[in-house]
Amino acid sequence: DTGVSQNPRHKITKRGQNVTFRCDPISEHNRLYWYRQTLGQGPEFLTYFQNEAQLEKSRLLSDRFSAERPKGSFSTLEIQRTEQGDSAMYLCASRGQGGEKLFFGSGTQLSVL
Amino acid sequence: AQTVTQSQPEMSVQEAETVTLSCTYDTSESDYYLFWYKQPPSRQMILVIRQEAYKQQNATENRFSVNFQKAAKSFSLKISDSQLGDAAMYFCAPMDSNYQLIWGAGTKLIIKP
Repeated sequence: DTGVSQNPRHKITKRGQNVTFRCDPISEHNRLYWYRQTLGQGPEFLTYFQNEAQLEKSRLLSDRFSAERPKGSFSTLEIQRTEQGDSAMYLCASRGQGGEKLFFGSGTQLSVL
Repeated sequence: AQTVTQSQPEMSVQEAETVTLSCTYDTSESDYYLFWYKQPPSRQMILVIRQEAYKQQNATENRFSVNFQKAAKSFSLKISDSQLGDAAMYFCAPMDSNYQLIWGAGTKLIIKP
């Protein structure tokens, strides 16, 4: 068990570019969450997967954001036409079936210039 | 909507002393979980302690304990024998019936050597 893994750790991009982040959950965890966190704030929920099904999406998730978990294992979060307001830490977390504890990755820090 | 209030934006404590971080929340649920997470400068979100709302006994994990007052909807965290490594942002996060964490704004804990 290597924990939740997120790549890249840091991403710097220019406004208008597309970016994609990857999350590898704990291997036996079938539930996967994406959060966004800005400095000095708590995490904000973005979306949630159970296996490959995306069961919930926050209103925060605009049309520029898309998340996938095609085989029920790793997940990707893509942001199209990035804006400076997208600059934040993007956190991924996973949870096992029947468990209530969420385990977090180290996050991907996005900076949009 | 469920809300979480952490009324102390920042707390400081002398090394080896005890500190209590406060948290109040609003929920209509009767059975739920509550969590404290810490987020050190590395930004890794780490689970500190968990409480089940139907249990009257307060949870304890080594130097960390909670004071859970269900009727008052209060869930404070006590850290005994504070250590330099305890310096972090601490987030209170009740879990709703959909297993979604509701996050407070966090309390920054400073440990004075």
